[in-house]
Amino acid sequence: EDKVVQSPLSLVVHEGDTVTLNCSYEVTNFRSLLWYKQEKKAPTFLFMLTSSGIEKKSGRLSSILDKKELFSILNITATQTGDSAVYLCAVVRRDDKIIFGKGTRLHILP
Amino acid sequence: GAVVSQHPSWVICKSGTSVKIECRSLDFQATTMFWYRQFPKQSLMLMATSNEGSKATYEQGVEKDKFLINHASLTLSTLTVTSAHPEDSSFYICSARSDRNYGYTFGSGTRLTVV
Repeated sequence: EDKVVQSPLSLVVHEGDTVTLNCSYEVTNFRSLLWYKQEKKAPTFLFMLTSSGIEKKSGRLSSILDKKELFSILNITATQTGDSAVYLCAVVRRDDKIIFGKGTRLHILP
Repeated sequence: GAVVSQHPSWVICKSGTSVKIECRSLDFQATTMFWYRQFPKQSLMLMATSNEGSKATYEQGVEKDKFLINHASLTLSTLTVTSAHPEDSSFYICSARSDRNYGYTFGSGTRLTVV
């Protein structure tokens, strides 16, 4: 059965800290891996990763995919209170089906 | 960029009534749209995949007669929750894949409360 496992489930850090969120997967017919940030409403897109070893960066956020070891990480440096959210990892199969992890709930203390 | 509009944002209805939720792709054509359900503090669970011009594909455990999906055009998919009950109260989100960049864009979600 396909699965996407995120860790940790919950994380509390102080503003300014760096955090690393993990996502491992076992999915048949992998096409790409997606990271989303969800605050109160629908998830907002962060990154799409399809190739191993190529870091994607957007401001203080970066992500990388390892297709051999079947995992991805999302890094957030110099965290701010606005980074508090649930971060969702999802894997897209070649048939377009998306399997979501349970998410990591990140809380940044001022 | 690709925008998906979902309507309504929230709805309260009486038990036994039906509720329709619309999902529109505003600036691209979406041959495939996805409907998710999310319970509080849980992840998104795929309910069904909606294909334009054909029947939706439902995930195991999702009642197709209760959650009617219609994808009549390349820009509109609807989810109708029929004979709603309090246990159907949830956050429903649609997403669509843009053929332009293979990205998946989510609608803003609909919070359904059945009383």
